[in-house]
Amino acid sequence: DQQVKQNSPSLSVQEGRISILNCDYTNSMFDYFLWYKKYPAEGPTFLISISSIKDKNEDGRFTVFLNKSAKHLSLHIVPSQPGDSAVYFCAASVRFGIQGAQKLVFGQGTRLTINP
Amino acid sequence: KAGVTQTPRYLIKTRGQQVTLSCSPISGHRSVSWYQQTPGQGLQFLFEYFSETQRNKGNFPGRFSGRQFSNSRSEMNVSTLELGDSALYLCASSPWTGNDYGYTFGSGTRLTVV
Repeated sequence: DQQVKQNSPSLSVQEGRISILNCDYTNSMFDYFLWYKKYPAEGPTFLISISSIKDKNEDGRFTVFLNKSAKHLSLHIVPSQPGDSAVYFCAASVRFGIQGAQKLVFGQGTRLTINP
Repeated sequence: KAGVTQTPRYLIKTRGQQVTLSCSPISGHRSVSWYQQTPGQGLQFLFEYFSETQRNKGNFPGRFSGRQFSNSRSEMNVSTLELGDSALYLCASSPWTGNDYGYTFGSGTRLTVV
């Protein structure tokens, strides 16, 4: 059961244009969403996050939008730069258990390529 | 400050053997989580430790186990290795202040089972 889905395995964008990466989820209990960027042979690097009580969060060139009714979030990168070429993972978390422990549920990732 | 350190970076084992991977979290971080990354399944949650106690466990067989020491360092162990255990194993640490959801990942241990 894939609770977090990234339906586009790859995306190619021209340098300077906007990159939009999409993510859908099924579990309405998720209360926090994150985007990670990953280069080969390295661990994921945190990019930006959003709480389920918000619908937008912005950090420099990165903006994450959350549409709870559609159970959809997206990451916008403007303008796209060659260094943005990497695999992007969206992740969702839910607290559970007495101690409020949590885990991250990841999507399958989208490989973004920025063309010069 | 130093990041999350995982050792070794690469490991080759044969089927049936067992392996232990190590993770040193960022100083002050009390929560350590482990994830498995494979091309087919993506990033899958293995387990999470906090103050030497396992709080969560993912949907993995009992061959996968872990522990956390009093200094927050963590180890995971895989016994009776199978070819399908070949993967990148990632460790992530978090300060777990209750409001801080920040997970910092290490570079991972690439395990190859032959």
